[in-house]
Amino acid sequence: GAVVSQHPSWVICKSGTSVKIECRSLDFQATTMFWYRQFPKQSLMLMATSNEGSKATYEQGVEKDKFLINHASLTLSTLTVTSAHPEDSSFYICSGTGRSPPTDTQYFGPGTRLTVL
Amino acid sequence: SQQGEEDPQALSIQEGENATMNCSYKTSINNLQWYRQNSGRGLVHLILIRSNEREKHSGRLRVTLDTSKKSSSLLITASRAADTASYFCATGIGGATNKLIFGTGTLLAVQP
Repeated sequence: GAVVSQHPSWVICKSGTSVKIECRSLDFQATTMFWYRQFPKQSLMLMATSNEGSKATYEQGVEKDKFLINHASLTLSTLTVTSAHPEDSSFYICSGTGRSPPTDTQYFGPGTRLTVL
Repeated sequence: SQQGEEDPQALSIQEGENATMNCSYKTSINNLQWYRQNSGRGLVHLILIRSNEREKHSGRLRVTLDTSKKSSSLLITASRAADTASYFCATGIGGATNKLIFGTGTLLAVQP
């Protein structure tokens, strides 16, 4: 149980375009979802936390106008990278927690690899 | 930065040997979790230890937590080639929302 999916698994786009990444909890209600980015050979860095139906809370240094997060339902959160540039190329991973399973365990999606040309 | 540090950064051992990875962190925590990540893939949750626990076991995994030293260790016993991966500790912080702050990771290579 506690499966999270992401779509797409990889995407290549041109500089200046916007890209939307979906994160879905398949078998639980994710009251909170998290978005991370990971550069090659580095660790995961938390970008933002989103609770269903409310605005996301962004970590220091993360531009909220560039990384738009929507958590419209208990099973879906989206991250839109607006006006993407090559430096936005990264591995983006989401995770979700819910009331059941317990909230202190996050369940991670398989990640989305974004390459901006 | 709140990010924790892990050591060693890389570890190469032979199959059957034990692997120990250490994690140090900076802030008060709710819990500490260990994850593994195969190259370019998502994360797999291994084990969670709460701040009031000192040791936990799961199969070939043993985790210790010393909150006075703000450190944790992950021991993998009788390692297998399939254990080759990156291992990350992550500290759970905050109130109702348990944010995870990840460590720098240890790249484990188990030679057959």
